[in-house]
Amino acid sequence: QQQVKQSPQSLIVQKGGISIINCAYENTAFDYFPWYQQFPGKGPALLIAIRPDVSEKKEGRFTISFNKSAKQFSLHIMDSQPGDSATYFCACKAAGNKLTFGGGTRVLVKP
Amino acid sequence: GAGVSQSPSNKVTEKGKDVELRCDPISGHTALYWYRQSLGQGLEFLIYFQGNSAPDKSGLPSDRFSAERTGGSVSTLTIQRTQQEDSAVYLCASRPAGGSYEQFFGPGTRLTVL
Repeated sequence: QQQVKQSPQSLIVQKGGISIINCAYENTAFDYFPWYQQFPGKGPALLIAIRPDVSEKKEGRFTISFNKSAKQFSLHIMDSQPGDSATYFCACKAAGNKLTFGGGTRVLVKP
Repeated sequence: GAGVSQSPSNKVTEKGKDVELRCDPISGHTALYWYRQSLGQGLEFLIYFQGNSAPDKSGLPSDRFSAERTGGSVSTLTIQRTQQEDSAVYLCASRPAGGSYEQFFGPGTRLTVL
C-alpha cells in the first residue's frame, strides 16, 4: 500500500520557470509534512515543512501549499535555478516521529 | 559541527555473505533512523531508535535484517545472508531531542550484492 503518492516522477523546467511537485496522502493521522531535497551522492536535506493547521508556507523561492480536505500538498519552486536541479521528496509524519516518503521527483532546470 | 557520518561509503559483497553498516549520528541527537533507498525510488523506513526505548523495528523487511545502537550513539545495521534484492543505498538519519521533527541524513552506504 503506497501511503504517499508523489508526482511527477521527473520534471524539466527552464531557468526562471516554476517547478510544481504534488503529493497525496491517505492517512489522516499525519501531522507534519516536510519536503526534502537530495543531490546525487548526498543524503536528503530538509527544505521546507508545514503543519496541517496552515494552508501555505513560503520560504524564499520555495512554497508549500496544503489542502487538508483533499489530503494533498504541493511544492512550488519559483524562479527555478540550475542549482535547484535535484531530487525532491515529500514526506508525512505520523505518531512516533516516523516519516513516510513519496517516491521522489527528479527536477532538471535547464539554463 | 560534524554531520551524520556513515561507513563504508560503498560495499560490494557476494550473495550469502553478512554485512555491517555503521552510522555515527550527530552528537547529542537522541533519535536515530535507518532507511533504504532503492535505485530511483523513495526512502523506505527500516528501524527507529529513540533514547532508551525499545526500537521500532516495524520496517525491517525480513529477519535477516537487524540493528543495534550502542550507548545511545553509534548504530550498526546488519544484513545476514545478503540477497541481490538487498542492493540499495542505506541511509541513516538522526534527530535532536525536543520539538523539532527535522531528520539529519548521512550520505548513505551504497550496498551492491553480486
